[in-house]
Amino acid sequence: DAKTTQPNSMESNEEEPVHLPCNHSTISGTDYIHWYRQLPSQGPEYVIHGLTSNVNNRMASLAIAEDRKSSTLILHRATLRDAAVYYCILRVRSNSGYALNFGKGTSLLVTP
Amino acid sequence: KAGVTQTPRYLIKTRGQQVTLSCSPISGHRSVSWYQQTPGQGLQFLFEYFSETQRNKGNFPGRFSGRQFSNSRSEMNVSTLELGDSALYLCASSLELTGLSTEAFFGQGTRLTVV
Repeated sequence: DAKTTQPNSMESNEEEPVHLPCNHSTISGTDYIHWYRQLPSQGPEYVIHGLTSNVNNRMASLAIAEDRKSSTLILHRATLRDAAVYYCILRVRSNSGYALNFGKGTSLLVTP
Repeated sequence: KAGVTQTPRYLIKTRGQQVTLSCSPISGHRSVSWYQQTPGQGLQFLFEYFSETQRNKGNFPGRFSGRQFSNSRSEMNVSTLELGDSALYLCASSLELTGLSTEAFFGQGTRLTVV
């Protein structure tokens, strides 16, 4: 099953860009790369997802390596409200189908 | 449009009891997935229902079960509660099956405490 590796924690200054890395060297050709974040005391929130090409939306950008073995979530200007745990996720095979494997994620601290 | 609604938000139960949690997905979504979140294990997948059928199942004992109704609302049941079942239970809804090209929307969760 495909697995992701992320740093446990990262720190950023407010209004600076943040690059959150993720390694997924065993990704299969059809697996989408998903990013979610979880703010304190809330359920996870969708950030972005992509397959091969770089993706942009109002929240972030996703840069996917050409060999798809790694990706980077880019927050262009971090705010205090971006402090959260960020999960890089692939589908993994469970007993009878597929599931999102959240792993431990990266805890992002944003300082003023 | 309304988001994913989970009820109740908080619950306290005694060991050995059973509990039922409810999840109302976003209108039009046919997939509902359930997750358990604990400080030690993080977010773990329980099961997924799509059009009233269980499509995926994680590595949890048979005490954890669920169902989905024709209006896509889903319930999760845990029987013979153990202290280790204390956790935040999250449900997520999506248009398609989990992990494909669409995003999942999560509810706020139900905080279950077993004493």
